[in-house]
Amino acid sequence: AQSVTQLDSQVPVFEEAPVELRCNYSSSVSVYLFWYVQYPNQGLQLLLKYLSGSTLVKGINGFEAEFNKSQTSFHLRKPSVHISDTAEYFCAVSDHGGGSQGNLIFGKGTKLSVKP
Amino acid sequence: DVKVTQSSRYLVKRTGEKVFLECVQDMDHENMFWYRQDPGLGLRLIYFSYDVKMKEKGDIPEGYSVSREKKERFSLILESASTNQTSMYLCASSRRGARSYEQYFGPGTRLTVT
Repeated sequence: AQSVTQLDSQVPVFEEAPVELRCNYSSSVSVYLFWYVQYPNQGLQLLLKYLSGSTLVKGINGFEAEFNKSQTSFHLRKPSVHISDTAEYFCAVSDHGGGSQGNLIFGKGTKLSVKP
Repeated sequence: DVKVTQSSRYLVKRTGEKVFLECVQDMDHENMFWYRQDPGLGLRLIYFSYDVKMKEKGDIPEGYSVSREKKERFSLILESASTNQTSMYLCASSRRGARSYEQYFGPGTRLTVT
């Protein structure tokens, strides 16, 4: 069975500092990987996704993530954060054409808090 | 612009009431999903549907049912609301056979059961 582990439940960081949000997954098959962001009192919005090809994926708002198959990781990074990046971030995985077509397995989320 | 809407942003109901949460998508997506979100637990799948009148149980279906009479609408029903169903409920949709399985989310309904 697939699972997703987000290693940090909360990450405080100062404005303009770099940040990395960690995500590890377990799966016996090839996967698609996603990062979603949830701003306060809103639904989830897709930040970026890895389907195939280049292991470095760029998303919206200056975020990027790197797929590492050997370490089964998909960590999210931003070189310089803004106050407006304060939100909860979710990593998700979906297998290729599995029995539950189109289902995503979500991690428990990481709350990023950017301080001035 | 893709859009998933949910009937209420905030809802307060009493224990034992029957509660309907409605979700509508305008993207002609085949797949629709209901999740509940609780602090520290992330998103947990309640039910999903791949087509009209079809439904499948997710990880936590107990105490819930769903209805999908039209392609664009997916309803979540709490037959007899209980306090442990106080939560944020999120609806999502995706295209069948889409290479990425990317899901699009509504704004959520925060339900309080007193």
